[in-house]
Amino acid sequence: DIVMTQSPDSLAVSLGERATINCKSSQSILYGYNNKNCLGWYQQKPGQPPKLLIYWASHRESGVPDRFSGSGSGTDFTLTISSLQAEDVAVYYCQQYYTTPATFGQGTKVEIK
Amino acid sequence: QVQLVQSGAEVKKPGASVKVSCKASGYAFIGLNIHWVRQAPGQGLEWMGIISPGGGSTSYAQQIQGRVSMTRDTSTSTVYMELSSLKLDDTAVYYCARELAQATPDVMSALDIWGQGTVVTVSS
Repeated sequence: DIVMTQSPDSLAVSLGERATINCKSSQSILYGYNNKNCLGWYQQKPGQPPKLLIYWASHRESGVPDRFSGSGSGTDFTLTISSLQAEDVAVYYCQQYYTTPATFGQGTKVEIK
Repeated sequence: QVQLVQSGAEVKKPGASVKVSCKASGYAFIGLNIHWVRQAPGQGLEWMGIISPGGGSTSYAQQIQGRVSMTRDTSTSTVYMELSSLKLDDTAVYYCARELAQATPDVMSALDIWGQGTVVTVSS
């Protein structure tokens, strides 16, 4: 199985400041057919299902604010929130969909400092 | 609108089985895979398996293989997840989720539409 490891487990950022979450896969998740990385980022708020933010590692889902961006390739990926807003307090998960099982990272909790 | 609506909360005893439904609407049901993901209280997301509504093919996580079955009914655009021989640590919220439509063959996709979740409690 591909193991997804996120860092840090939690972080506190001041309003308007940048938040950066890292995700590392135990093997490459670059799909050779389209040269895209099979990685998604999700946001989950308490009592709600996860919400897709980013797919193919860097493609923003429709309706997601442009302060959210994804980057990286191969085995190392990053989700950046460029200017943290109060409504961004949540747990964020990465997921690889290169192969089954489509494993998730353990989650990163983002709070306001 | 595009949505997945899941069945209601369940309370089961250890050793029993539970069957959760997920009804799709607002899109072509057979065209996009459905995944099941669960979340134990206070824990992260755990991928359980995938079903292709068109052909019915499935793939399950190793840790629940043999206890889980995912099926579909194309006449009602509904997928089902049945988990048997329930244990206390199967207590969780169970989600179904649809893959994002994309043109690349032979690869899965991210999960863009999620059901509201079904709470399954296993208690003696």
